[in-house]
Amino acid sequence: GAVVSQHPSRVICKSGTSVKIECRSLDFQATTMFWYRQFPKQSLMLMATSNEGSKATYEQGVEKDKFLINHASLTLSTLTVTSAHPEDSSFYICSASSGYNNEQFFGPGTRLTVL
Amino acid sequence: GENVEQHPSTLSVQEGDSAVIKCTYSDSASNYFPWYKQELGKRPQLIIDIRSNVGEKKDQRIAVTLNKTAKHFSLHITETQPEDSAVYFCAASIGSNYQLIWGAGTKLIIKP
Repeated sequence: GAVVSQHPSRVICKSGTSVKIECRSLDFQATTMFWYRQFPKQSLMLMATSNEGSKATYEQGVEKDKFLINHASLTLSTLTVTSAHPEDSSFYICSASSGYNNEQFFGPGTRLTVL
Repeated sequence: GENVEQHPSTLSVQEGDSAVIKCTYSDSASNYFPWYKQELGKRPQLIIDIRSNVGEKKDQRIAVTLNKTAKHFSLHITETQPEDSAVYFCAASIGSNYQLIWGAGTKLIIKP
């Protein structure tokens, strides 16, 4: 149980385009989903926390108009990187929590490369 | 806000020896402390966790200890094997949204 999928696993795009990443909890209802960004050899950096049906809470320094998060249902959250630039290239990972036991279940990550 | 410090950043041990990674946290209200193992290019995997009402937890070769007074917790891996080589992250959880505050990570290298 507690499986989280993420799609796509890898994306390469041109500068200026928008990229949408989907995060799904497959066998449980995720009351809260988290989006992280991880640069090479660094720790996970929390970008935002989203609760189903409400606006996401962004961490300091993360532009909400650039990283659009939608948590429309208890099993799906999406992150859209708008007008992507090379500095947005990173490993994006989502996690989901059912609100029980604090545990977060991670998706497999999306490797974004912006040319 | 909460801050988690993790040491060392790199740890190299001989296969079969023990490895210890230490973390300290700043907010005494933290009550959940997971440890994750991350292999290159893959998702973090929970290997063990501990809650603030427990001082020690063990799962086969892996154990975690928690000292609430000193606000630090440690991961212990005994009889290390080559497949233990990875980056290990500690984290602390605070708040009703269960946000995790992450340590900087420790690259564990097991020498054959």
